[in-house]
Amino acid sequence: QKEVEQDPGPLSVPEGAIVSLNCTYSNSAFQYFMWYRQYSRKGPELLMYTYSSGNKEDGRFTAQVDKSSKYISLFIRDSQPSDSATYLCAMSVVRLQGAQKLVFGQGTRLTINP
Amino acid sequence: DAGVTQSPTHLIKTRGQHVTLRCSPISGHKSVSWYQQVLGQGPQFIFQYYEKEERGRGNFPDRFSARQFPNYSSELNVNALLLGDSALYLCASSLEGRQETQYFGPGTRLLVL
Repeated sequence: QKEVEQDPGPLSVPEGAIVSLNCTYSNSAFQYFMWYRQYSRKGPELLMYTYSSGNKEDGRFTAQVDKSSKYISLFIRDSQPSDSATYLCAMSVVRLQGAQKLVFGQGTRLTINP
Repeated sequence: DAGVTQSPTHLIKTRGQHVTLRCSPISGHKSVSWYQQVLGQGPQFIFQYYEKEERGRGNFPDRFSARQFPNYSSELNVNALLLGDSALYLCASSLEGRQETQYFGPGTRLLVL
């Protein structure tokens, strides 16, 4: 079983729709939760990060973490064609020493149709 | 401010050859990590370096090695290339202790024939 599971999609929605992207994880030691956006043939771009359970909002994006269910979500409101990309969830254990590695999901490919 | 830069952008090699990939971190970032991203998958951790010391290594064979220089730039070396090494190689930099804010470069796309 992978540490982080993410539905690869593809997911296609009309412009203006609310998009929900999700990941589940098995390692209860994960404490940092990140969402990255990756356009085709580019490096991942950090969108948001959270440290605890609950919601964090940034413009049209909301990140949600439910540690009891080991489940995280990214919501995109008023989706735009420019949001079309692959969205990667990533997680990390808090480490003061040793490798501070990110464990990624497979990525969900999202298309917003005008 | 410039972001993470990587060179070259693309590379074609044949099996058995050696490759060196380079990364310059964001100014002020002393930690550099390398990831491998195979098509259709999420990035996988290869190495992390901080202050020229290896902090950790992922589940990759000894053919993979890396180092960090006094200016915090880094090189990833892969020997005896296999077809399966074809991937996008990503470099990420961060401030010490800030694993939640790792910033990635554009990557080097390696094709092994």
